[in-house]
Amino acid sequence: QVQLVESGGGVVQPGRSLRVSCAASGFLFSTYGMHWVRQAPGKGLEWVALISDDGSNTKYSGSVRGRFTISRDNSKNMLYLQMNSLRGEDTAVYYCAKGLMETPMSYLTDYWGQGTLVKVSS
Amino acid sequence: DIVMTQSPDSLTVSLGERATINCRSSQSLLSRSNNMNYLGWFQQKPGQPPKLLIYWASTRASGVPDRFSGSGSGTDFTLTISSLQAEDVAVYYCHEYYSAPLTFGGGTKVEIK
Repeated sequence: QVQLVESGGGVVQPGRSLRVSCAASGFLFSTYGMHWVRQAPGKGLEWVALISDDGSNTKYSGSVRGRFTISRDNSKNMLYLQMNSLRGEDTAVYYCAKGLMETPMSYLTDYWGQGTLVKVSS
Repeated sequence: DIVMTQSPDSLTVSLGERATINCRSSQSLLSRSNNMNYLGWFQQKPGQPPKLLIYWASTRASGVPDRFSGSGSGTDFTLTISSLQAEDVAVYYCHEYYSAPLTFGGGTKVEIK
């Protein structure tokens, strides 16, 4: 069955960097687009970024563009989110999510991991 | 960016009764190329990640009970739970996947009366 396991969250000071990871299993990782979606404590869902199946194409929300970078390693079935210049408003649970359709850039997601908490605080 | 507006913010319904959640998008989610509405619904129970319930506005995802149904087209959509069960207590989000940046509605919290 599909499994997505995020890791790498923690407490980080404003302005610093952090990389979160997502280990995927149970499906052919290299044939699906992958997403990061975040949820601030007690708040709703905010889409962050999308990467195509081969990693050649990416899209970002306006709030993170230029600061965050999504990437993947298909040989390891891993998805990453490099977060630079972190701000207090980036505090959230970060979920990785699998594209529903077996297309390069499936905009819709189906399976989500349990998430990893990133807290930006001095 | 497409703005998704849900109503109501919260809903209290008796067991076995109908629950209806509305969602409006700031622009049409209907694609002229394939006549499909790029609208999905997610359910999030406390302490869990979101779960996809409905996509293409009315297609149930695998394993989703048939008491959940989606309807609507263009800019106005509805999620209906025909007979509310205790396990349906959750926050429900509509979601457009028509164009990036992808956006979600603010959520509707469903509780038991």
